[in-house]
Amino acid sequence: GAGVSQSPRYKVAKRGQDVALRCDPISGHVSLFWYQQALGQGPEFLTYFQNEAQLDKSGLPSDRFFAERPEGSVSTLKIQRTQQEDSAVYLCASSPRDTSSYNEQFFGPGTRLTVL
Amino acid sequence: AQSVTQPDIHITVSEGASLELRCNYSYGATPYLFWYVQSPGQGLQLLLKYFSGDTLVQGIKGFEAEFKRSQSSFNLRKPSVHWSDAAEYFCAVGAIKAAGNKLTFGGGTRVLVKP
Repeated sequence: GAGVSQSPRYKVAKRGQDVALRCDPISGHVSLFWYQQALGQGPEFLTYFQNEAQLDKSGLPSDRFFAERPEGSVSTLKIQRTQQEDSAVYLCASSPRDTSSYNEQFFGPGTRLTVL
Repeated sequence: AQSVTQPDIHITVSEGASLELRCNYSYGATPYLFWYVQSPGQGLQLLLKYFSGDTLVQGIKGFEAEFKRSQSSFNLRKPSVHWSDAAEYFCAVGAIKAAGNKLTFGGGTRVLVKP
């Protein structure tokens, strides 16, 4: 079946522009995660959804970052007034169940954001 | 707070030689440990995971890892490397929490394979 998909795959933004990054998780997956991966670094957690509820947003670096998953499937990560330090690959992952037991996270290919 | 250290940023290995990638973690309870591989332009692919039980775990592509609680380590090994193993490898620790079982990743080790 289809895996996690993300769009766009590449995004170039001028500093100060707003961007929206989309994640389509595997159908039926309850949990959805966003991670940020700066160049040469490991991914870092941004936020977590269980269905439509955003249960953890402790990793969002500033109030310019906003994520939503209104119907419990597709999620959008929005970055307002982009800055150069926002340049990174944004990874989305989904997993089939809630957090009552650990289950594998399946990652999408990521969106590479470059802010000029 | 949990953390993961991968001491080697780059490793170069000859094709057919053995490979070992180091991973040390810090976590207050029994960790859930993972190794992921990332090829250029690709997402993360799970190689193997440790939840409990046998401390030597087998994964895909001929990889294995050994959990050593006394050393807080989870090193990844492969007996004979293929050119297609050139990629970046990430160790990660996960924890079940009331709201989210997010992964904490190490900084990664880039593996180069010489012909």
